[in-house]
Amino acid sequence: GENVEQHPSTLSVQEGDSAVIKCTYSDSASNYFPWYKQELGKRPQLIIDIRSNVGEKKDQRIAVTLNKTAKHFSLHITETQPEDSAVYFCAGGSSNTGKLIFGQGTTLQVKP
Amino acid sequence: DTGVSQNPRHKITKRGQNVTFRCDPISEHNRLYWYRQTLGQGPEFLTYFQNEAQLEKSRLLSDRFSAERPKGSFSTLEIQRTEQGDSAMYLCASSPGTSITDTQYFGPGTRLTVL
Repeated sequence: GENVEQHPSTLSVQEGDSAVIKCTYSDSASNYFPWYKQELGKRPQLIIDIRSNVGEKKDQRIAVTLNKTAKHFSLHITETQPEDSAVYFCAGGSSNTGKLIFGQGTTLQVKP
Repeated sequence: DTGVSQNPRHKITKRGQNVTFRCDPISEHNRLYWYRQTLGQGPEFLTYFQNEAQLEKSRLLSDRFSAERPKGSFSTLEIQRTEQGDSAMYLCASSPGTSITDTQYFGPGTRLTVL
């Protein structure tokens, strides 16, 4: 069945350090991989996404990489700031089914 | 506020009762999704609509759950004979186009507590 595994479940870094979150997916038909940030008590918000025909995408301090052969993708946050503290979710989506399957989430804590 | 809205924001009910939630998507968004999120987990896909057509439904979804989007605008999610395991945050999201690659904008959610 469709499954997205996300690691680590919690991540604590010092302000200014980099943070990396990794996800693997099982559905070979997945062709879209968004990342969402959810602050405590708030709704998930898209921060970056990547399609299966692209290997890497960057947006300021955030980057995402995709390895289709290995079926894994990663989120990289550089120069972390306290306001980056939140829960981050990866997801895999397929145009065939139209649905997103989310990972379990990573709680990122950036210590000042 | 032109974002996705959901009502009610909180619902407390007794086991065995029926509940209905409403989602109003961003105006003219074609797709509308329903998810369920429990504490410490990611959103779990339930179903989605493209305009008024329900195109996909999770196999995990009990037949106690039903959703409608009769005019292709707002949607309702009904849970019949609620169980304590139904307690969760129910999230709605909408997207402008007809592709999985269109950004999904989430609503604030309806928190259901089944006593």
